[in-house]
Amino acid sequence: NAGVTQTPKFQVLKTGQSMTLQCAQDMNHEYMSWYRQDPGMGLRLIHYSVGAGITDQGEVPNGYNVSRSTTEDFPLRLLSAAPSQTSVYFCASSSKLGYTFGSGTRLTVV
Amino acid sequence: TQLLEQSPQFLSIQEGENLTVYCNSSSVFSSLQWYRQEPGEGPVLLVTVVTGGEVKKLKRLTFQFGDARKDSSLHITAAQPGDTGLYLCAGPLYGNKLVFGAGTILRVKS
Repeated sequence: NAGVTQTPKFQVLKTGQSMTLQCAQDMNHEYMSWYRQDPGMGLRLIHYSVGAGITDQGEVPNGYNVSRSTTEDFPLRLLSAAPSQTSVYFCASSSKLGYTFGSGTRLTVV
Repeated sequence: TQLLEQSPQFLSIQEGENLTVYCNSSSVFSSLQWYRQEPGEGPVLLVTVVTGGEVKKLKRLTFQFGDARKDSSLHITAAQPGDTGLYLCAGPLYGNKLVFGAGTILRVKS
């Protein structure tokens, strides 16, 4: 019963590098989303998807891309990392009962 | 400005004490959710309240949704060290999109 799996757990990037944060869910949920969590600011929505092939922007989408080729997977791509993207990133999938979050990726951009 | 304002931001109490955490908004929500997050993990859903005036109990935790559906509270009776964590309230915007408050950090000392 894995739920939502995120990889990697930790990552350090240099400014300008690109990377992909992986997210997979095994609950057959249509809705998936990416949040970033910063101290004192709660969770802010980056991008979300209502189903395979459909994505849309959230509150803070700049510098990030997403795609949803399957129901299970929803990767988040950082195109050119900046120090302002240092944060903890959470992927979530949801049903009418509520959200299930992954355990997060702590990203540091130096 | 957060759409959902949580107070207090930080609470440090002794084991056995009671406490209340508040979540307020100027907007009406169809429902509100409460999550608890432990260090290094993603938020975990505690409860969803959907009816104005609703009270839900989860062991020593009591959740209330305001009559006007603009606010909610979480009351913990006889707090224990295991209650330590970050408590987040969240409400839906436009379907499944969830907006979060900044959270209340609770520390229960033994």
